Amino acid sequence: GDSVTQMEGPVTLSEEAFLTINCTYTATGYPSLFWYVQYPGEGLQLLLKATKADDKGSNKGFEATYRKETTSFHLEKGSVQVSDSAVYFCAPQEGVQGAQKLVFGQGTRLTINP
Amino acid sequence: GAVVSQHPSWVICKSGTSVKIECRSLDFQATTMFWYRQFPKQSLMLMATSNEGSKATYEQGVEKDKFLINHASLTLSTLTVTSAHPEDSSFYICSAKHRESNYGYTFGSGTRLTVV
Repeated sequence: GDSVTQMEGPVTLSEEAFLTINCTYTATGYPSLFWYVQYPGEGLQLLLKATKADDKGSNKGFEATYRKETTSFHLEKGSVQVSDSAVYFCAPQEGVQGAQKLVFGQGTRLTINP
Repeated sequence: GAVVSQHPSWVICKSGTSVKIECRSLDFQATTMFWYRQFPKQSLMLMATSNEGSKATYEQGVEKDKFLINHASLTLSTLTVTSAHPEDSSFYICSAKHRESNYGYTFGSGTRLTVV
């Protein structure tokens, strides 16, 4: 099956720092790619997604570009805030139409200090 | 937007008893629902995939007789942990796939199960 490798955490940054969380995947074909965020004690929320090569997903100042050549979907934000502290999951969608599912990376815990 | 309600948010039960967790899509029809288990500081492990009206498909290593999944309607799936033991203590999260593929996957807020 498909697999995904995320940058190991935890990651600790100061407020307004630049953030990059790396994500690479292995897959047959070109899966849709997702980033989810999990705040403490909560379920997962969709942060952004990209469905085809060179697509850029963006939301709340976060961006990620679907790079087919490097099979990567790195998450970036130019200036992080304390409220961005959470666990971030990269997830390609594997499977054929009608039997698709998300495959999650190990998650990257991000802590932003004021 | 697409909202998934998961209930209860936390539960404590005695060893040997069974616990049922509900997952409802509130404002959309979910063709497929997924059940995940998350250990502390770890990723989500997919346990099973369920389609409305059919038997769930379990991932390798997941005991289907222990984790009973029912998906009786397009808006409700339940996970029953039977004869729970302390090692079943975990955070369980459901996810629903919208009938319209553009909406992707919506996750419930999770259920913290503690077996004592």
